[in-house]
Amino acid sequence: DGGITQSPKYLFRKEGQNVTLSCEQNLNHDAMYWYRQDPGQGLRLIYYSQIVNDFQKGDIAEGYSVSREKKESFPLTVTSAQKNPTAFYLCASEGVDEQFFGPGTRLTVL
Amino acid sequence: GEDVEQSLFLSVREGDSSVINCTYTDSSSTYLYWYKQEPGAGLQLLTYIFSNMDMKQDQRLTVLLNKKDKHLSLRIADTQTGDSAIYFCAEGMDSSYKLIFGSGTRLLVRP
Repeated sequence: DGGITQSPKYLFRKEGQNVTLSCEQNLNHDAMYWYRQDPGQGLRLIYYSQIVNDFQKGDIAEGYSVSREKKESFPLTVTSAQKNPTAFYLCASEGVDEQFFGPGTRLTVL
Repeated sequence: GEDVEQSLFLSVREGDSSVINCTYTDSSSTYLYWYKQEPGAGLQLLTYIFSNMDMKQDQRLTVLLNKKDKHLSLRIADTQTGDSAIYFCAEGMDSSYKLIFGSGTRLLVRP
C-alpha cells in the first residue's frame, strides 16, 4: 500500500541529547515537509524539501536539522539546541493539490 | 500577513449538523483545505476547494467559501460520534511551498 510512515510513534529523550525522527514515503512524491504541533495550536513548519539533496528552513527551524539523501526519506534531527522540543511531530509529502500526512511521532523530553 | 483563525471548540448532539468556521487573511489563496485529526494520529484530508468555487459537496460534507469575507465553513450533516476529532482548515497558494493552518476546532459529538 502507498503511504507515509513515521517512526517511532513515541520517543523519550533526556535533555542534552540529539534524537532523529524517521519519515518514509513510497508515494513517489518530490516534496516533503516536517511540522510541529503543540497542544491547542495549529501546525508550524520546521523544514521542507522540494527535491532530493535540497531542503529549506520553515518558520521554526532553529534547533532542528534535516537531510534528503533519498526521495523516499526525510529524517528530522532534534538537537540539544532546541529549547522546548516536547511536541507532536508530523511529516507530510505532497502530491497534486494535497499534502499527505504520516501518523506522527510524539517526542517527550525528560 | 498570513493568518487562519478558527473557534476552538464545538459540541453537537449526534444526528445534528455541525458547522465549523474558519477565516483567513490572504486573498491570494488558491486552495482551501479541511483536515481531520483523531487523537494521537496524523492529519487526514477531508476535502478541499479551489478559490474560484463557492461550494463543494461530498456526501455528508459541504464546504462553503465566501471570498469577499474570506470565510470558509465545513458543514457535517447527520454528525456521528466517529466525527469527534479536531478539524483544521488550511490555505495554500500556487506561488508558495507551504500550507498555513488554523489552530484547529475540537468537535465533540454527544450521544
